[in-house]
Amino acid sequence: KAGVTQTPRYLIKTRGQQVTLSCSPISGHRSVSWYQQTPGQGLQFLFEYFSETQRNKGNFPGRFSGRQFSNSRSEMNVSTLELGDSALYLCASSLDRRQANTGELFFGEGSRLTVL
Amino acid sequence: DAKTTQPPSMDCAEGRAANLPCNHSTISGNEYVYWYRQIHSQGPQYIIHGLKNNETNEMASLIITEDRKSSTLILPHATLRDTAVYYCIVRVRSYNTDKLIFGTGTRLQVFP
Repeated sequence: KAGVTQTPRYLIKTRGQQVTLSCSPISGHRSVSWYQQTPGQGLQFLFEYFSETQRNKGNFPGRFSGRQFSNSRSEMNVSTLELGDSALYLCASSLDRRQANTGELFFGEGSRLTVL
Repeated sequence: DAKTTQPPSMDCAEGRAANLPCNHSTISGNEYVYWYRQIHSQGPQYIIHGLKNNETNEMASLIITEDRKSSTLILPHATLRDTAVYYCIVRVRSYNTDKLIFGTGTRLQVFP
């Protein structure tokens, strides 16, 4: 069973540009969430998608957005990049809450973004 | 709004048990305690989770106090490959949300 796949693994952008990151969840998983990891702030929740709907959003500016497609694949976008957006962006997927009382969130290997 | 506190670092001799503590005094009654570990900026790896009973799997044991205000992750026979950052996490789940609230983690160093 394939794990959570994130692309690209590494990318370099300059200030002011925008970036789109992709996440393919484990087959059958309908919940996809995104996290940002930086040395200073640690792992922080960005947002969660379930059945193409954003169910919750962390404390990030509107430059951070995302979406989920009908096949549960998800993308996140960061516009007008700032130096502080340099981070490891992690995607996690889990089973439909209504089907599983509990269960693990499975993380991908992340997309490492460097903003110059 | 981290709900957990952990010591920043710990050492453990190879082959010995590693006991990693975690405080979560503000945890709500329906919130689970999860443990993940992260090796050198890879994606976090699930270890174990629990609500109020002690749990054991092939990787570790989780001991949760009766008042649920703290827990301990036990790696029974630590190996060098267990060197990682271990996160004690509260998982907040409801009809309209499912998110992990990470603390700062404990960097476990296993030495020969």
